Amino acid sequence: GQNIDQPTEMTATEGAIVQINCTYQTSGFNGLFWYQQHAGEAPTFLSYNVLDGLEEKGRFSSFLSRSKGYSYLLLKELQMKDSASYLCAVRDRDDKIIFGKGTRLHILP
Amino acid sequence: DTGVSQDPRHKITKRGQNVTFRCDPISEHNRLYWYRQTLGQGPEFLTYFQNEAQLEKSRLLSDRFSAERPKGSFSTLEIQRTEQGDSAMYLCASSLPWGAQNEKLFFGSGTQLSVL
Repeated sequence: GQNIDQPTEMTATEGAIVQINCTYQTSGFNGLFWYQQHAGEAPTFLSYNVLDGLEEKGRFSSFLSRSKGYSYLLLKELQMKDSASYLCAVRDRDDKIIFGKGTRLHILP
Repeated sequence: DTGVSQDPRHKITKRGQNVTFRCDPISEHNRLYWYRQTLGQGPEFLTYFQNEAQLEKSRLLSDRFSAERPKGSFSTLEIQRTEQGDSAMYLCASSLPWGAQNEKLFFGSGTQLSVL
Protein backbone atom coordinates (compact mmCIF):
# COMPACT_ATOMS: atom_id res chain seq x y z
CA GLY A 1 0.00 0.00 0.00
CA GLN A 2 0.89 3.66 -0.15
CA ASN A 3 1.85 5.36 3.08
CA ILE A 4 2.99 8.88 3.85
CA ASP A 5 3.74 9.77 7.47
CA GLN A 6 4.24 13.17 9.02
CA PRO A 7 3.69 14.48 12.56
CA THR A 8 0.16 15.58 13.31
CA GLU A 9 1.05 18.81 15.11
CA MET A 10 4.06 20.94 15.94
CA THR A 11 4.56 24.17 17.88
CA ALA A 12 7.34 26.69 17.42
CA THR A 13 8.14 30.25 18.42
CA GLU A 14 8.13 33.30 16.18
CA GLY A 15 11.62 33.92 14.78
CA ALA A 16 12.77 30.34 15.36
CA ILE A 17 13.44 27.45 12.96
CA VAL A 18 11.26 24.35 12.60
CA GLN A 19 11.77 21.12 10.66
CA ILE A 20 8.78 19.05 9.54
CA ASN A 21 9.65 15.46 8.61
CA CYS A 22 7.94 13.19 6.11
CA THR A 23 8.55 9.51 5.40
CA TYR A 24 6.95 7.66 2.54
CA GLN A 25 6.40 4.20 1.09
CA THR A 26 4.76 4.38 -2.31
CA SER A 27 4.36 2.48 -5.57
CA GLY A 28 7.40 3.98 -7.25
CA PHE A 29 8.58 7.54 -6.89
CA ASN A 30 8.58 10.43 -9.36
CA GLY A 31 8.88 13.38 -7.01
CA LEU A 32 7.86 14.85 -3.67
CA PHE A 33 5.86 18.02 -3.01
CA TRP A 34 5.34 20.24 -0.02
CA TYR A 35 2.19 22.34 0.14
CA GLN A 36 0.98 24.91 2.66
CA GLN A 37 -2.69 25.11 3.56
CA HIS A 38 -4.29 27.79 5.72
CA ALA A 39 -7.56 26.94 7.40
CA GLY A 40 -10.46 27.10 4.96
CA GLU A 41 -8.23 27.65 1.94
CA ALA A 42 -6.85 25.49 -0.87
CA PRO A 43 -3.30 24.12 -0.66
CA THR A 44 -0.59 26.29 -2.20
CA PHE A 45 2.66 25.00 -3.64
CA LEU A 46 5.89 25.38 -1.68
CA SER A 47 8.45 23.02 -3.20
CA TYR A 48 9.09 20.01 -5.41
CA ASN A 49 12.06 17.62 -5.07
CA VAL A 50 12.98 14.95 -7.56
CA LEU A 51 16.68 14.47 -6.84
CA ASP A 52 18.40 13.92 -3.51
CA GLY A 53 19.57 16.99 -1.68
CA LEU A 54 18.46 20.34 -0.40
CA GLU A 55 16.44 22.91 -2.35
CA GLU A 56 16.38 26.38 -0.83
CA LYS A 57 13.77 29.01 -1.56
CA GLY A 58 13.94 32.03 0.69
CA ARG A 59 12.90 31.12 4.23
CA PHE A 60 11.79 27.65 3.15
CA SER A 61 14.03 24.69 2.26
CA SER A 62 13.15 21.12 1.37
CA PHE A 63 15.38 18.06 1.57
CA LEU A 64 14.98 14.66 -0.07
CA SER A 65 16.66 11.28 0.43
CA ARG A 66 15.15 8.78 -2.00
CA SER A 67 17.09 5.81 -0.59
CA LYS A 68 15.64 6.49 2.87
CA GLY A 69 12.14 7.46 1.69
CA TYR A 70 12.53 10.65 3.67
CA SER A 71 12.03 14.37 3.24
CA TYR A 72 11.88 17.40 5.46
CA LEU A 73 10.64 20.95 5.15
CA LEU A 74 12.70 23.56 7.00
CA LEU A 75 11.13 26.89 7.86
CA LYS A 76 13.42 29.67 9.10
CA GLU A 77 12.69 33.01 10.78
CA LEU A 78 9.17 31.89 11.57
CA GLN A 79 6.40 34.44 11.26
CA MET A 80 2.88 34.30 12.68
CA LYS A 81 1.50 33.93 9.14
CA ASP A 82 3.36 30.58 8.87
CA SER A 83 0.72 29.07 11.18
CA ALA A 84 -0.87 26.57 8.80
CA SER A 85 -0.97 22.92 7.82
CA TYR A 86 1.96 21.59 5.82
CA LEU A 87 1.24 18.74 3.44
CA CYS A 88 3.78 16.25 2.13
CA ALA A 89 2.77 14.56 -1.14
CA VAL A 90 4.42 11.98 -3.40
CA ARG A 91 3.99 11.50 -7.14
CA ASP A 92 4.07 7.75 -7.67
CA ARG A 93 5.14 5.77 -10.74
CA ASP A 94 1.70 6.27 -12.34
CA ASP A 95 1.75 10.05 -11.69
CA LYS A 96 -0.89 9.69 -9.01
CA ILE A 97 -0.23 12.27 -6.27
CA ILE A 98 -0.78 10.97 -2.75
CA PHE A 99 -0.91 13.31 0.23
CA GLY A 100 -0.04 12.72 3.86
CA LYS A 101 -2.44 13.79 6.59
CA GLY A 102 -0.63 17.08 7.09
CA THR A 103 1.22 18.69 9.97
CA ARG A 104 -0.54 21.53 11.79
CA LEU A 105 2.08 24.11 12.75
CA HIS A 106 1.30 26.54 15.57
CA ILE A 107 3.48 29.62 15.94
CA LEU A 108 3.67 31.25 19.37
CA PRO A 109 4.58 34.93 19.78
CA ASP B 1 -5.06 32.46 -16.84
CA THR B 2 -7.78 32.53 -14.21
CA GLY B 3 -6.59 29.52 -12.25
CA VAL B 4 -8.56 26.39 -11.40
CA SER B 5 -12.20 27.19 -10.73
CA GLN B 6 -14.78 25.02 -9.00
CA ASP B 7 -18.53 25.38 -8.85
CA PRO B 8 -20.42 25.58 -6.59
CA ARG B 9 -18.37 26.80 -3.60
CA HIS B 10 -20.89 25.37 -1.16
CA LYS B 11 -23.57 22.72 -1.49
CA ILE B 12 -26.08 21.66 1.13
CA THR B 13 -28.18 18.63 0.31
CA LYS B 14 -30.38 16.07 1.99
CA ARG B 15 -29.30 12.50 2.45
CA GLY B 16 -30.23 10.40 -0.58
CA GLN B 17 -30.03 13.23 -3.12
CA ASN B 18 -27.59 13.33 -6.04
CA VAL B 19 -25.07 16.15 -6.38
CA THR B 20 -22.73 17.19 -9.18
CA PHE B 21 -19.67 19.41 -8.94
CA ARG B 22 -17.78 21.06 -11.77
CA CYS B 23 -14.10 21.85 -12.16
CA ASP B 24 -12.52 24.02 -14.85
CA PRO B 25 -8.74 23.49 -14.90
CA ILE B 26 -6.13 25.92 -16.19
CA SER B 27 -6.50 25.88 -19.95
CA GLU B 28 -3.35 24.10 -21.12
CA HIS B 29 -3.29 21.62 -18.25
CA ASN B 30 -3.88 18.06 -19.43
CA ARG B 31 -3.88 16.39 -15.98
CA LEU B 32 -6.82 16.83 -13.64
CA TYR B 33 -7.15 15.39 -10.12
CA TRP B 34 -10.05 15.13 -7.67
CA TYR B 35 -9.50 14.93 -3.92
CA ARG B 36 -11.71 14.85 -0.84
CA GLN B 37 -10.64 16.53 2.38
CA THR B 38 -12.18 16.43 5.83
CA LEU B 39 -11.27 18.64 8.77
CA GLY B 40 -7.78 18.01 10.09
CA GLN B 41 -6.87 15.55 7.34
CA GLY B 42 -4.84 15.77 4.16
CA PRO B 43 -6.47 15.58 0.72
CA GLU B 44 -7.58 12.01 -0.06
CA PHE B 45 -7.09 10.92 -3.67
CA LEU B 46 -10.32 10.12 -5.54
CA THR B 47 -9.48 9.95 -9.24
CA TYR B 48 -7.45 11.56 -12.01
CA PHE B 49 -7.52 12.20 -15.74
CA GLN B 50 -5.05 12.69 -18.51
CA ASN B 51 -6.99 14.63 -21.12
CA GLU B 52 -10.34 12.82 -21.33
CA ALA B 53 -9.03 9.45 -20.12
CA GLN B 54 -9.71 8.50 -16.51
CA LEU B 55 -6.50 6.80 -15.40
CA GLU B 56 -7.42 5.56 -11.96
CA LYS B 57 -10.22 5.68 -9.43
CA SER B 58 -9.50 5.11 -5.76
CA ARG B 59 -10.49 1.67 -4.50
CA LEU B 60 -11.87 3.41 -1.43
CA LEU B 61 -14.56 5.04 -3.55
CA SER B 62 -17.93 3.40 -3.77
CA ASP B 63 -19.86 3.04 -7.01
CA ARG B 64 -21.93 6.06 -5.97
CA PHE B 65 -19.05 8.29 -7.11
CA SER B 66 -18.38 8.91 -10.78
CA ALA B 67 -16.28 11.47 -12.62
CA GLU B 68 -16.04 12.52 -16.24
CA ARG B 69 -13.93 14.80 -18.37
CA PRO B 70 -15.71 14.47 -21.72
CA LYS B 71 -13.63 16.77 -23.91
CA GLY B 72 -10.45 16.86 -21.91
CA SER B 73 -11.28 20.30 -20.54
CA PHE B 74 -13.71 20.69 -17.61
CA SER B 75 -14.57 17.78 -15.34
CA THR B 76 -17.61 16.81 -13.29
CA LEU B 77 -17.80 14.72 -10.13
CA GLU B 78 -21.18 13.19 -9.30
CA ILE B 79 -22.19 11.61 -6.02
CA GLN B 80 -25.39 9.59 -6.11
CA ARG B 81 -27.58 8.84 -3.07
CA THR B 82 -25.49 11.03 -0.80
CA GLU B 83 -24.75 9.93 2.75
CA GLN B 84 -23.76 12.01 5.76
CA GLY B 85 -20.25 10.56 5.52
CA ASP B 86 -19.84 12.25 2.15
CA SER B 87 -19.74 15.66 3.84
CA ALA B 88 -16.31 17.08 3.03
CA MET B 89 -14.42 19.58 0.92
CA TYR B 90 -14.02 18.33 -2.65
CA LEU B 91 -10.87 19.72 -4.24
CA CYS B 92 -9.91 19.76 -7.90
CA ALA B 93 -6.34 20.28 -9.09
CA SER B 94 -4.64 20.42 -12.47
CA SER B 95 -1.15 20.30 -13.88
CA LEU B 96 0.84 20.54 -17.06
CA PRO B 97 2.19 17.26 -18.47
CA TRP B 98 4.69 15.89 -15.97
CA GLY B 99 8.22 16.40 -17.19
CA ALA B 100 7.42 19.93 -18.30
CA GLN B 101 9.38 22.68 -16.66
CA ASN B 102 6.77 23.83 -14.21
CA GLU B 103 5.93 20.71 -12.25
CA LYS B 104 3.31 21.60 -9.71
CA LEU B 105 -0.30 20.90 -8.94
CA PHE B 106 -2.62 23.92 -8.91
CA PHE B 107 -5.69 23.65 -6.69
CA GLY B 108 -9.12 25.20 -6.99
CA SER B 109 -10.88 26.67 -3.95
CA GLY B 110 -12.98 23.55 -3.52
CA THR B 111 -16.65 22.68 -3.10
CA GLN B 112 -17.79 22.28 0.50
CA LEU B 113 -20.50 19.60 0.66
CA SER B 114 -22.81 19.27 3.66
CA VAL B 115 -25.20 16.33 3.70
CA LEU B 116 -28.05 16.72 6.18
